[in-house]
Amino acid sequence: SQTIHQWPATLVQPVGSPLSLECTVEGTSNPNLYWYRQAAGRGLQLLFYSVGIGQISSEVPQNLSASRPQDRQFILSSKKLLLSDSGFYLCAWSVPGQEVGELFFGEGSRLTVL
Amino acid sequence: GQNIDQPTEMTATEGAIVQINCTYQTSGFNGLFWYQQHAGEAPTFLSYNVLDGLEEKGRFSSFLSRSKGYSYLLLKELQMKDSASYLCAVRDSNYQLIWGAGTKLIIKP
Repeated sequence: SQTIHQWPATLVQPVGSPLSLECTVEGTSNPNLYWYRQAAGRGLQLLFYSVGIGQISSEVPQNLSASRPQDRQFILSSKKLLLSDSGFYLCAWSVPGQEVGELFFGEGSRLTVL
Repeated sequence: GQNIDQPTEMTATEGAIVQINCTYQTSGFNGLFWYQQHAGEAPTFLSYNVLDGLEEKGRFSSFLSRSKGYSYLLLKELQMKDSASYLCAVRDSNYQLIWGAGTKLIIKP
């Protein structure tokens, strides 16, 4: 069966510090991968998605970046965090080419920037 | 612009039935999804509608009217564990998901 894990689950970081969130998927190959941010009272915001190794599409210009160094690994990074980067970050995957193509989410990472 | 509207919060009684509405205005339509999200957890997939009509899955049903830009999620025989947020999302003509802010459902004994 397929599983997705992301870590860390919780982190508190000072403004200006770097960030690295990691996500891995097991039990499938060549998944579509996504990073979302969820702010209170707002819909999920797509940050990045990837259809293959090294292929990253950015939906929202900001100080965050993403990388896909391996087929089932997706990393969200920042060199200098802003207060506005606080939120709940979700990694997700889907099967390419499926009609439904529902998303399967990781456990989430709650980031607080102070 | 693209917009998904759903009520912010609803309250219902254990054992009862509740209907959560979702209206949308998007650039094209390629399916509508409902997800359940318990507090502090990740969303999980509930249902998918791409054609008009009702899709039933156990205690949960989802309805779609494309001409009206409208969907609802119907939950029957409510249980305390159904207390969660319910997210409506529409896939547009570019196959991008547009998400509503979610409806927080509170179940009372």
